[in-house]
Amino acid sequence: NAGVTQTPKFRVLKTGQSMTLLCAQDMNHEYMYWYRQDPGMGLRLIHYSVGEGTTAKGEVPDGYNVSRLKKQNFLLGLESAAPSQTSVYFCASTHGLAGGYYNEQFFGPGTRLTVL
Amino acid sequence: GDSVTQMEGPVTLSEEAFLTINCTYTATGYPSLFWYVQYPGEGLQLLLKATKADDKGSNKGFEATYRKETTSFHLEKGSVQVSDSAVYFCALTPSGGGADGLTFGKGTHLIIQP
Repeated sequence: NAGVTQTPKFRVLKTGQSMTLLCAQDMNHEYMYWYRQDPGMGLRLIHYSVGEGTTAKGEVPDGYNVSRLKKQNFLLGLESAAPSQTSVYFCASTHGLAGGYYNEQFFGPGTRLTVL
Repeated sequence: GDSVTQMEGPVTLSEEAFLTINCTYTATGYPSLFWYVQYPGEGLQLLLKATKADDKGSNKGFEATYRKETTSFHLEKGSVQVSDSAVYFCALTPSGGGADGLTFGKGTHLIIQP
């Protein structure tokens, strides 16, 4: 199993450009998440999905859109990149067991995005 | 809302020293608690977890006990190694599981010197 993979690993954009980050998981997980990691801020949730065709906003959703057309993939889009979106982006996934008392999340290796 | 507070770093220790990284949380009910570790250039890996009060999570010589009365989940290791140098994140999910994402602390950068 590859676990959670992310592409690309690195990207440099100019302000106003658009791009899509791809997350893929092969563990048949129902729930998937996008976080951003900034120095001194920890990780903050951007958007998440509880299943194919569903998405929901997290703590910092502005400037991002997401889609979950297939269960194994979760895409994060930046329509018009801004320097404030310079960050490291992590995707994560987990089982969505009903009645579960915890959600262990599995993380991808991250995408380092710089917006000039 | 829920929040996690952990000690600021960097924390610098000598090899074989005793490690404590403090973590306290604010949440209703009985959240599940986690410690994740991030090695340089990598994603986060689950280090240990605890799902109810007085549970002790342990892995790779690290331990943390879920203390409901003090709302704490401090990470400890008796003898650290250079290979333990990493960033450590305390995190929680709300009571009962569900779809909510993890709420993270800001991370503690641990540096172990030979």
